[in-house]
Amino acid sequence: DIQMTQSPSSLSPSVGDRVTITCRASQSISTWLNWYQQKPGRAPRLLIFAASSLQSGVPSRFSGSGSGTDFTLTISSLQPEDFATYYCQQSYSSRISFGQGTRLEIK
Amino acid sequence: ELQLVESGGGLVQPGRSLRLSCAASGFTLGDYAMHWVRQPPGKGLEWVSGISWNSGIIDYADSVKGRFTISRDNAKNSLYLQMNSLRLEDTALYYCAKDSGRSAYDRPNYFDYWGQGTLVTVSS
Repeated sequence: DIQMTQSPSSLSPSVGDRVTITCRASQSISTWLNWYQQKPGRAPRLLIFAASSLQSGVPSRFSGSGSGTDFTLTISSLQPEDFATYYCQQSYSSRISFGQGTRLEIK
Repeated sequence: ELQLVESGGGLVQPGRSLRLSCAASGFTLGDYAMHWVRQPPGKGLEWVSGISWNSGIIDYADSVKGRFTISRDNAKNSLYLQMNSLRLEDTALYYCAKDSGRSAYDRPNYFDYWGQGTLVTVSS
């Protein structure tokens, strides 16, 4: 199975900061990498699919990049509503797997 | 409006069974693959199982293989998860999620809609 490792596990940025979250796959997954945001008590929400495609309705401050085994999610200017947990997910294999999550906490 | 509504969760003893359901509305379930994803309290997301649009391709996580069975009834716009031989570590919020494609090989594929989840608690 493909293992997904995110770093860091948690982060305490300030509003307006540029934030980068990294996700590494245990084998090459081409660009079949998705990013989700989850707020407490809510279901996950799709942000980015296929490594760099922005889901409809998602603010343009979110962007994704990478291919092969290394991927990043970037928030260009952090807003108060962005404090949440972020998960990467590989869809290269039919046995899908998620990263362990990166929690953005208010500083 | 597209909606996924899970049901069937509850408190169950170890070794017993439970059947979860996911009712879909606002779209044609039979056009898409579907998945179950779970989240233990305070922890991260774990993919449990996926089923293609026509039930031709089914996959399970190793942690549930042989104990859980995913199925669907497209005529009823419903997805199911039969959970047998439940263990303490199966305690979680179970989400159903809609795939963007008909199967895991319909690239790119991602989970574009999620239900609100149904809580399964395994305890003696």
